Amino acid sequence: QKEVEQNSGPLSVPEGAIASLNCTYSDRGSQSFFWYRQYSGKSPELIMFIYSNGDKEDGRFTAQLNKASQYVSLLIRDSQPSDSATYLCAVNGGETSGSRLTFGEGTQLTVNP
Amino acid sequence: DGGITQSPKYLFRKEGQNVTLSCEQNLNHDAMYWYRQDPGQGLRLIYYSQIVNDFQKGDIAEGYSVSREKKESFPLTVTSAQKNPTAFYLCASSIWGTRDSDTQYFGPGTRLTVL
Repeated sequence: QKEVEQNSGPLSVPEGAIASLNCTYSDRGSQSFFWYRQYSGKSPELIMFIYSNGDKEDGRFTAQLNKASQYVSLLIRDSQPSDSATYLCAVNGGETSGSRLTFGEGTQLTVNP
Repeated sequence: DGGITQSPKYLFRKEGQNVTLSCEQNLNHDAMYWYRQDPGQGLRLIYYSQIVNDFQKGDIAEGYSVSREKKESFPLTVTSAQKNPTAFYLCASSIWGTRDSDTQYFGPGTRLTVL
């Protein structure tokens, strides 16, 4: 089992729709969870981080964390063509890993005009 | 302008040659990291450093070496022992010692191609 798994994608949604990206992780000791966006040929940029169970909203983005189910998701409301990118989920490895992050392989999102 | 710089943006190397990738940050971050990304793949950790003059191996350190002589700089050398070095190399940094220390910020990357 991979440490961090994401929907394999690609995911395609129409403009204005809600895009839902999912991520599961295996280390129950993980404390910090991150979503990065990566445009083709570019480096990852941080979108959101979440530490506590529940929802965290920032503009059109909502991160949801459920530690009991070892599940973190990212919702993008009113999706725009500029949201088309690969989204990487990253998880802190818990106390044994310090600040090391483990990344999923990413989900490619395409928003169609 | 605060940030992380990597150079060069593109690098071509002949087989059997060592090559060094530069990473500099002016964010006053304590920790720095090197990742490798292959097409369609996530990021894999090569080396990381929490303080000057100290660094630890990541998941795929074989064939790579690093140094951390200054807080601002964390160069990565890809040696001839690395069997398949063609990849996109990303440097990141984070603060250390607080909850926010997990948050890593990335440089623009160096794309290495072995000819």
